[in-house]
Formats: sequence, structure tokens, C-alpha cells
Amino acid sequence: EIVLTQSPGTLSLSPGERATLSCRASQSVRSNNVAWYQQKPGQAPRLLIYGASTRATGIPDRFSGSGSGTDFTLTVSRLEPEDFAVFYCHQYSNSPHTFGRGTKLEIK
Amino acid sequence: EVQLVESGGGLVQPGGSLRLSCAASGFTFSAHAMSWVRQAPGKGLEWVSAISGSGRTTHYADSVKGRFTISRDNSKNTLYLQMDSLRAEDTAIYYCAKETVETYFDYWGQGTLLTVSS
Repeated sequence: EIVLTQSPGTLSLSPGERATLSCRASQSVRSNNVAWYQQKPGQAPRLLIYGASTRATGIPDRFSGSGSGTDFTLTVSRLEPEDFAVFYCHQYSNSPHTFGRGTKLEIK
Repeated sequence: EVQLVESGGGLVQPGGSLRLSCAASGFTFSAHAMSWVRQAPGKGLEWVSAISGSGRTTHYADSVKGRFTISRDNSKNTLYLQMDSLRAEDTAIYYCAKETVETYFDYWGQGTLLTVSS
């Protein structure tokens, strides 16, 4: 099973700042099959990024994904108030699917 | 518009059984694999089970193998999760999720809460 380690656990930033979230895999993720989801309290996860770097439909271009192999990054270029939430990375290259433990992005 | 609506959650005693349902609409249900993903209170996401579009192929997490059974009725556009021999650690919100061809999850339901407690 591929273990995904997300860091930091909590990130405190202000609106307008840049957020950089990391996801490291315990082994190489084939075809960069990594997705990122945003989850707000009381809501289901929402797909942001798939294939490590492709934005899902309707996702603002301030969200971007990058990386390959074992190291992946989600960047939010200029934080808006509605962006503060928990973010999860997900690998769908190997069975079983696995998720990271999440990074909580909170308002400073 | 894609919609996934879960139902069937509730309070069950340890060792008990429950069946969750997920009603799908807005897409060709039989053309897509579906998964159940759960989230324990205050915790992260855990994939539980997946089923192919035809229903012929199923996969389970080790934590539920032999206790949970995933199935689907393509004539009713509905996904199911039969859960037996329930344990306290199965307590979670259960989400159904639509898989893309590449198998990431592009749509999620709002979830249904299962609580296993005496």
C-alpha cells in the first residue's frame, strides 16, 4: 500500500498570501495518478486537481498542482477567504486507493 | 447535473448489520465504477470498497474484507453497501463517490453517518 504523508499538518496564512501544501508518497506513483480534494466543515470533499496537475472543471486558476514520482505539491497562489479548508491528496495508481491525512489551511 | 444521495445510516449495536444506499442521477450510471469512502469523526478519508460499472468486479479495503459487500442495481441507478459484523471502529460518515475512467473521484455524495455503539 502506498502511504501518503502530507505536510504541514496545519498551515496558518492570511488572505492574499500564497499556500504551498506537500504530499509525499512512500513509493513512486505511476503515471502521476495523484488528485487533490478540498473539504470544508460539514461538506463532502470536492475535486480540485487530478493527474497531479490538471484542474477539475470549474476550479479557479489560483489552484495549481505539480510534482511527479513521490513528491507532489498543491499551490494556492493568492488565498481567498473561501479557500480555507482541509486539503487531501489521493493516489489512485495502486490498489488500494490511499489518502493523505490532510493539511488544514486556517486563517491567520 | 450529477447527484449522489446516500441513505441508510443510523445507530447500530456492535455485531449488527446495516445496508447503505446511494441513488445516482445526472450521468450514465452503468458506465462508471463507484466507490464508498468513509471518514471517522474528526479524521481523514479512507477508501472502503469499489465496484465496476457492470458490477462483476469488486474490491475491498483489508479493514472491511469479509464483512462488507458492495453491489449495484443499474436498473435503479443505485449503489449499495451491505455491512455486517459491525465494529465501533466502523463509525464514520460514508460517502459514495463516482469514479472516472482513470479512477479518481470526480463527484461525491453528501454522506450518511453510521454509528456503531451499544
